[in-house]
Amino acid sequence: AQKITQTQPGMFVQEKEAVTLDCTYDTSDQSYGLFWYKQPSSGEMIFLIYQGSYDEQNATEGRYSLNFQKARKSANLVISASQLGDSAMYFCAMREPYNDYKLSFGAGTTVTVRA
Amino acid sequence: DAGVTQSPTHLIKTRGQQVTLRCSPKSGHDTVSWYQQALGQGPQFIFQYYEEEERQRGNFPDRFSGHQFPNYSSELNVNALLLGDSALYLCASSLAQVSGNTIYFGEGSWLTVV
Repeated sequence: AQKITQTQPGMFVQEKEAVTLDCTYDTSDQSYGLFWYKQPSSGEMIFLIYQGSYDEQNATEGRYSLNFQKARKSANLVISASQLGDSAMYFCAMREPYNDYKLSFGAGTTVTVRA
Repeated sequence: DAGVTQSPTHLIKTRGQQVTLRCSPKSGHDTVSWYQQALGQGPQFIFQYYEEEERQRGNFPDRFSGHQFPNYSSELNVNALLLGDSALYLCASSLAQVSGNTIYFGEGSWLTVV
């Protein structure tokens, strides 16, 4: 069964605007971690932001924030003030305690920032 | 502080051949995981090495094997290459005793099988 679902294959956003990337997850555990990574065309997987399931506050890292709604099992990424360099593939991933050794990734969302 | 380094960056192999990919983890990390990312898809977990042993394995055939050395670096070997093995192979390093967001990826090795 799919553990991470990203329903938006591609998105366009105007420079300087905000964009929200959707991510829903499936787990029966109470303890888990959620990640967002950025992957430019070069291939490197760049860590953006992390949210632990017990973290009471939504994670923020600069222009990135994670809208964590535990009851809905969603962990949406918000990129504020988009820049041309934000154009890339974005992946949501989950790390579960019983399976602490690996990340399960979604299919990704391609973001294209327009000038 | 060096991040995760992988080599080679790109390579082309013929069906039936064997390939070895290499990974050096981030300084201070002792655990290495390998992922396969086919074009247009998310990465899929292959296996993870800790203390020179395979700790967990994903749904990949035995043609995929690995090794971890005492200095924590790791190799991924794929035998009897198939066209479907063409993908980006990503290495991730982490610290076994620390949970949370301590997972870092390298730039990957692009493998093309012809």
